[in-house]
Amino acid sequence: VQLLESGGGLVQPGGSTRLSCDSSGFNFISYSMNWFRQAPGKGLEWISYISGTGVTIYYADSVKGRFTISRDNAKGSLFLQMDNVRADDTAVYFCARLSGTYSGGEDYWGQGTLVAVSS
Amino acid sequence: EIVLTQSPATLSLSPGDRATLSCRATQNIRTFLAWYQHKPGQAPRLLIYDASKRATGIPARFSGSGSGTDFTLTISGLEAEDFAVYYCQQRGNWPWLTFGGGTKVEIK
Repeated sequence: VQLLESGGGLVQPGGSTRLSCDSSGFNFISYSMNWFRQAPGKGLEWISYISGTGVTIYYADSVKGRFTISRDNAKGSLFLQMDNVRADDTAVYFCARLSGTYSGGEDYWGQGTLVAVSS
Repeated sequence: EIVLTQSPATLSLSPGDRATLSCRATQNIRTFLAWYQHKPGQAPRLLIYDASKRATGIPARFSGSGSGTDFTLTISGLEAEDFAVYYCQQRGNWPWLTFGGGTKVEIK
């Protein structure tokens, strides 16, 4: 199982960027996925969830209305569209696979991609 | 929101020592708690889920206990690769997951 994030970089406040998470080694459609982030010097924060079919989606209040999670099961890819970004969105963003049950934790994570919001 | 408080913030120990990490929740989360290990620049690693179940491939020196609001992660016999930051995560209010602030286990 591998997860590889991409798409991070420097973004201006109010701007947009799209993160990708490419998967391999497992049947992607069978697993729900999450995005998490870690701001500099801070702990981990959950930001969004999507079910295997993409029908069920949830967001943390901190990103609701600005970020959009989606997935392409044919390509085994997960996405995070980030719009109207703010300085406090600066963080390393991780994608993670939810294990078989909601209580089972996220059993595989990517190494993360850095998004820096600055003018 | 369920807030998790981890203690201590830093644990200074030597290889071979026993590490005891605590995590306290502001609400009863039954056993819906997970523990993760995180090293700089690496992917977080799931250690424990459902408070006491070891994830696949996790060595037996890692054990979790607790229920309700008080939880413990124990590492019996620290090895060099165990020095890292450890986070607890509540899943009682899934999908609105929250993490504790972390405990850094450093070499004394």
